[in-house]
Order: sequence, then structure tokens, then C-alpha cells
Amino acid sequence: AQKVTQAQTEISVVEKEDVTLDCVYETRDTTYYLFWYKQPPSGELVFLIRRNSFDEQNEISGRYSWNFQKSTSSFNFTITASQVVDSAVYFCALSGSYGNKLVFGAGTILRVKS
Amino acid sequence: NAGVTQTPKFQVLKTGQSMTLQCAQDMNHEYMSWYRQDPGMGLRLIHYSVGAGITDQGEVPNGYNVSRSTTEDFPLRLLSAAPSQTSVYFCASSYRGLNTEAFFGQGTRLTVV
Repeated sequence: AQKVTQAQTEISVVEKEDVTLDCVYETRDTTYYLFWYKQPPSGELVFLIRRNSFDEQNEISGRYSWNFQKSTSSFNFTITASQVVDSAVYFCALSGSYGNKLVFGAGTILRVKS
Repeated sequence: NAGVTQTPKFQVLKTGQSMTLQCAQDMNHEYMSWYRQDPGMGLRLIHYSVGAGITDQGEVPNGYNVSRSTTEDFPLRLLSAAPSQTSVYFCASSYRGLNTEAFFGQGTRLTVV
């Protein structure tokens, strides 16, 4: 069975601090896909990144970066120099190769204070 | 572009009532799916569809029905609402499979009293 664990229920930081959101996953598939989605206070879900299991390169997009480590089954998300607009719930998700299942973690609430 | 449109945004039902949550997408995506979001549980897949005429169950399908008569529309039906179905419901579409980027609707907050 597939499972995603986001152990951090809530994180509070002060603006300009760096923050890392943890994601640990479980799957027996050899091919799988990992995602991060952002849910701002307005409620919609916004796609941030998709990574397949064969691509362990870290990714950087502006202030956002992702560290994928198969050896520890982790796909962590770092925000550098956090801003108030980063305040949101962040979800990590996992899907298998057949594309018929998408499992979400419980989410991490990030509060960035000015 | 409208993307994924869900209606209504808010709904209060009495136990035992039925209703349909509407979902439409204008991106010609094959896959559409319904999720419910509950505190501390993330999003859980209710039903999904791989194309017009084809639907399948997700993780929590009990109490919900779906159909997909067109590519654009994927309604979710609650036949006899129960308080346990109080939740926020999201519809999503993706070009090819649940393992590709999903585009979500704005959500429907449903309360069953």
C-alpha cells in the first residue's frame, strides 16, 4: 500500500527564515511519482512540482527547492527566505505508475509571520 | 480559461437528503477525480474517471456515485447524506493519469446536519 507521512503538523517561522517541510513516503512500486501542492488561505490547490522515481536530481525554482532521496524515501521541500505569502497548507502526494491512485499526506500548515 | 469549475461553493444538507456536486473542465483532460478533504487527513480519493463512460472507485467511495457522460463533466452524487460526509470536496482534472499534474476546482464546503 502507498502511504505519505508529513510529520510536521504546523510550522511557524519569521519572515526571511528558511524552512524545510518533510515528506516521507512508502511504496512497493519501482516507478512512482511524487508531488507537492500548495493550499493558500483562499482554499484552492496549486501544483508546485512533480518528480518521477528515476530522477533524483534536486530541483530549484526561485526560492523553492526540493530534495529527493530514494535511500531514505523522502521528498523534502525547502523555502528560502520565507515570505508572508508563503503561508499555506502544503501537501506532499504520491502516485504509482498506472496513474489510478493519488495518495496525499495530511499536510503541513506553514505560518510565516512578519 | 475557466479551468475546473465546481458548483456550489457551499451547501448545507439535512441527513438523508440527496444532492449532486457539479464539476466541469474545459481543458479536454481525460482524467477527472473527486477528493474529500478532512482535517488532519489530507485529501482522499473518492472516485475517478479515465474518460467518458469509464469510472472507478478510489479510497473512500461508499455513499457516493459518479458518472461521466461527457469529457467535460464529472458530477458527484450523494444519495442519502450523512453527517460523516461533512467535508470539503474537490474536483480535479489531469491530462493523462493521476500521476500527472492535477488542476483543482475551488472546492465545495458541504455540511450535513
